[in-house]
Amino acid sequence: GESVGLHLPTLSVQEGDNSIINCAYSNSASDYFIWYKQESGKGPQFIIDIRSNMDKRQGQRVTVLLNKTVKHLSLQIAATQPGDSAVYFCAEVRVGKLIFGQGTELSVKP
Amino acid sequence: GAVVSQHPSRVICKSGTSVKIECRSLDFQATTMFWYRQFPKQSLMLMATSNEGSKATYEQGVEKDKFLINHASLTLSTLTVTSAHPEDSSFYICSADREPNYGYTFGSGTRLTVV
Repeated sequence: GESVGLHLPTLSVQEGDNSIINCAYSNSASDYFIWYKQESGKGPQFIIDIRSNMDKRQGQRVTVLLNKTVKHLSLQIAATQPGDSAVYFCAEVRVGKLIFGQGTELSVKP
Repeated sequence: GAVVSQHPSRVICKSGTSVKIECRSLDFQATTMFWYRQFPKQSLMLMATSNEGSKATYEQGVEKDKFLINHASLTLSTLTVTSAHPEDSSFYICSADREPNYGYTFGSGTRLTVV
């Protein structure tokens, strides 16, 4: 079936380092993609999104890259902080629905 | 802006009873809301799309008679878990799209425990 998935289920980084979280998707018809951060016991929090006609978008300390050729999406977090520890999901918007990938748990070591 | 409120945050109920979860858009109108279920260490699974003034659209494998959805106004959708069983214990989350593809906003989730 069609899905949005992630390569790495867990990622541990040192405080101050950059983090890269990857996501593979299989549906070429997706309208756009969104990265969410979810802390334990809370709902997902919007981080950044990118339209299917773009290949890069930057926010505050975050950058999303979209490679449509290989159907790959990544989230880069610069100067990772302990407060960035959470589960990160990529999600795709397709026909008005938001479909989530598996998620990567990011752990930041002080 | 774009705040979604979900209540209750936690609920414990006895097996066989029904539980209602509310999802409200506080500062915008939402013709469409979405309900997700999330088991521990897993992703969010879309259960259904709630449409104001019409029937909800359920994803494959989701029992519509068990998970009743009502979207009676532009700011409120409710999910009722009927005849709950322990396997229904999960984290239920709603979201709303302020306008098409604006950026879905999520509620804080409801932890349902069926004993």
